[in-house]
Amino acid sequence: GEDVEQSLFLSVREGDSSVINCTYTDSSSTYLYWYKQEPGAGLQLLTYIFSNMDMKQDQRLTVLLNKKDKHLSLRIADTQTGDSAIYFCAESMEDTGRRALTFGSGTRLQVQP
Amino acid sequence: NAGVTQTPKFRILKIGQSMTLQCTQDMNHNYMYWYRQDPGMGLKLIYYSVGAGITDKGEVPNGYNVSRSTTEDFPLRLELAAPSQTSVYFCASSYRSTRGTDTQYFGPGTRLTVL
Repeated sequence: GEDVEQSLFLSVREGDSSVINCTYTDSSSTYLYWYKQEPGAGLQLLTYIFSNMDMKQDQRLTVLLNKKDKHLSLRIADTQTGDSAIYFCAESMEDTGRRALTFGSGTRLQVQP
Repeated sequence: NAGVTQTPKFRILKIGQSMTLQCTQDMNHNYMYWYRQDPGMGLKLIYYSVGAGITDKGEVPNGYNVSRSTTEDFPLRLELAAPSQTSVYFCASSYRSTRGTDTQYFGPGTRLTVL
C-alpha cells in the first residue's frame, strides 16, 4: 500500500538552508509534490517533480528525487522567517484513476531570526 | 476567481447531530476531493468525485456521505456526529495540465469539533 513518511520537525536559523526529507513506498507514483501549509490555512502547492527526473530547481527551492531509494527532498535556500510552516510531501496515485494524493504527516519548519 | 470556498469555517457539534460541510469551486474542475486532517497528521482522503453525478470512497469514508449534482459543488454530509470526527476538513479540486500533472487547489478548511 501507499505510505509517505517525513520527519516531524526542523529548526534552522534565518539565512541558512533547510532540507526536508520524505520517503515514499509506491513505485508507480508518477508525480511527487511539495505543499506548504501556513497556520490556519489550506495547503498551497510549492513545486512538483516528475518521477523520471532527478532534480528540479525553482528559485530558492530545489527538489531531489532518488527513485531507487524512494527518497524525496526539498531544499530551501536562504530560509526566511516567512518560510516557517508545515511542509507536506505527497505522491499521486496515478494507477487508481482517482488522481488523489497520499500525503505524509508533514514537517514543521521553524525559522529562528 | 474565488477558487475553492468552504463553509462554515468553524463548527461545534454535539454527538449524534448532523451537518453538511459546503464546498464550491469556480474553476470548472472535474475532480473534487474531501480530506480530513487530524492533529499532527497528514491528510486522509474521505471521498472524491471525477465529475458531476460520480462519487467514490477514499481511505476513510465511514460516517460520511457526499453528492455531486453540479460541477461546482461537492458537499460532505455527517449524519451522526461522533467525537472521532473532530478534525479539520479540506475540500480540493484539480485539473490535469498539458504536462500531465494534477494540481490540487485547496479550500481554507472547516474546523469541526464534536463534543
